[in-house]
Amino acid sequence: DVKVTQSSRYLVKRTGEKVFLECVQDMDHENMFWYRQDPGLGLRLIYFSYDVKMKEKGDIPEGYSVSREKKERFSLILESASTNQTSMYLCASSGSGGPGQPQHFGDGTRLSIL
Amino acid sequence: AQSVSQHNHHVILSEAASLELGCNYSYGGTVNLFWYVQYPGQHLQLLLKYFSGDPLVKGIKGFEAEFIKSKFSFNLRKPSVQWSDTAEYFCAVNTGPNRDDKIIFGKGTRLHILP
Repeated sequence: DVKVTQSSRYLVKRTGEKVFLECVQDMDHENMFWYRQDPGLGLRLIYFSYDVKMKEKGDIPEGYSVSREKKERFSLILESASTNQTSMYLCASSGSGGPGQPQHFGDGTRLSIL
Repeated sequence: AQSVSQHNHHVILSEAASLELGCNYSYGGTVNLFWYVQYPGQHLQLLLKYFSGDPLVKGIKGFEAEFIKSKFSFNLRKPSVQWSDTAEYFCAVNTGPNRDDKIIFGKGTRLHILP
């Protein structure tokens, strides 16, 4: 079974702080994704990566950056946290066996910015 | 741009009722379609998927979905729901063979089953 592990379930930070959210997958998946989930808005893609050191902007990349130095790890960085970044953050991974591979999700990190 | 529309944001049913959650997408080409489910306090997990072939696909826990290409729809169904089906359901679409194609999610439908 694919395991996607997010480093924290709950996190509280202050406005202006630099925040790191970590995600690790154990299935040697090429593709990794960061979403935020907000009530009534569903999942919105922040960034994704199809390979080590490669990143692509999703639909809402502003205020975020990512890092993928190793295949199994994909980090989301809030450069200067703001209250509108309070949300549930979901990491996902998928294999590269053709189009439409299902994504496997972590448990999420509920981030509060005070 | 591609989009996914889920018709109902919140559905309340009694146990044993039949369920149908609507999903429409906007894309004229080849699609791969998914339904994901998120039970309270748990991570999102795949319920079922359609790639090609039989447009009626069966998933876990008695769920099924029918792909109707002419209607751009992929509705989720279950003939008799249980209290344990209380969850949020997301329809999603991936639009073709290019490497940078993303999965686009709908906004979700919260299903609440009354015991």
